[in-house]
Amino acid sequence: EDKVVQSPLSLVVHEGDTVTLNCSYEVTNFRSLLWYKQEKKAPTFLFMLTSSGIEKKSGRLSSILDKKELFSILNITATQTGDSAIYLCAVGYTGTASKLTFGTGTRLQVTL
Amino acid sequence: DTAVSQTPKYLVTQMGNDKSIKCEQNLGHDTMYWYKQDSKKFLKIMFSYNNKELIINETVPNRFSPKSPDKAHLNLHINSLELGDSAVYFCASSPLIGQPQHFGDGTRLSIL
Repeated sequence: EDKVVQSPLSLVVHEGDTVTLNCSYEVTNFRSLLWYKQEKKAPTFLFMLTSSGIEKKSGRLSSILDKKELFSILNITATQTGDSAIYLCAVGYTGTASKLTFGTGTRLQVTL
Repeated sequence: DTAVSQTPKYLVTQMGNDKSIKCEQNLGHDTMYWYKQDSKKFLKIMFSYNNKELIINETVPNRFSPKSPDKAHLNLHINSLELGDSAVYFCASSPLIGQPQHFGDGTRLSIL
């Protein structure tokens, strides 16, 4: 059975800290790994990674994929209270299987 | 100008009733999805449609029946509601299979 495991499950940091969120996977027909941020409602798309070793960056957020070791990390530098959310990792598949398999998420709380 | 919109936002009903949730996307995407998010925030795929055609049905009870009248709409009808159906149901869409999915704000279904 396909597995997507995120760690830690939850994290509390102070504003200004740097955090690293982890996602490991065991799936057949891997195509891509995606990160989403979920605040109160809809998960919003952050990154899609398909190639190993190439960092994707958006402001204070960055992410990288290791297809040999089957994991990805999401880094957030200089955290702000607005970064408080659940961060979801998901795996996409090759072929016509258009679904995403999600991990259980990491709940991040940034305090003042 | 919401991209993926679901109605209703909240649905409170009795066990045994039948209910429907509607989803519309104005992004011109070909593929639409239904996900279920449980109380622990775990998101799981239920159905996927590509250009009105069902392509994924993930071991969902027969009481759940999706319908796609056109590629901009994907509705979900649920018969004989059970307590375990209480969850947040998310609709999503993507331009093509394998591309990032955009989520609606969810419908919170509560069964009394």
